[in-house]
Amino acid sequence: AQSVTQLGSHVSVSEGALVLLRCNYSSSVPPYLFWYVQYPNQGLQLLLKYTTGATLVKGINGFEAEFKKSETSFHLTKPSAHMSDAAEYFCAVSGASGTYKYIFGTGTRLKVLA
Amino acid sequence: DVKVTQSSRYLVKRTGEKVFLECVQDMDHENMFWYRQDPGLGLRLIYFSYDVKMKEKGDIPEGYSVSREKKERFSLILESASTNQTSMYLCASSLAGLEAFFGQGTRLTVV
Repeated sequence: AQSVTQLGSHVSVSEGALVLLRCNYSSSVPPYLFWYVQYPNQGLQLLLKYTTGATLVKGINGFEAEFKKSETSFHLTKPSAHMSDAAEYFCAVSGASGTYKYIFGTGTRLKVLA
Repeated sequence: DVKVTQSSRYLVKRTGEKVFLECVQDMDHENMFWYRQDPGLGLRLIYFSYDVKMKEKGDIPEGYSVSREKKERFSLILESASTNQTSMYLCASSLAGLEAFFGQGTRLTVV
């Protein structure tokens, strides 16, 4: 079975500091991996995705993530946090069983301090 | 611009009522999903559908049913609403697992 673990339900960073949100997954087949962002009372918006090819993927709003198969990780980073990055972030995996269900982590709420 | 539309943003229903949550997508996606979101628990899959009239149970199907009579529409039904079904409900659609597109969510309160 697939699963996703996000370390840290709450992360605080200062404005301008590095953002690092951690995601580890388990999957018996090559996964598709995703990061989504959710602003209050909104649905989820795709930040970036890894399906095949280059393991470093760039997304919207300056975020990027690196797929590391040996570590079963897909951590999300941004070099310099902005106040507008405050939101909840979800890591997700799909690709097993041929039915393309998405399994989500429990989320990390990012707080950006002025 | 791709779109997943949920019929209501906020709903308040009474215990025991039958509740319908509607979701429509305009992207001709074969896969559609209903998730429930609760603080600290992330998104949990209730049901998904990979074709018209086809459905599979997710991780928490108890107390819910679904209907997909047309490709673009996926309905979630709470047969007899209970207070523990108070939650945010998110609908999504996808094409072959490449990425899921989400609606704005329905915040349901059962009193």
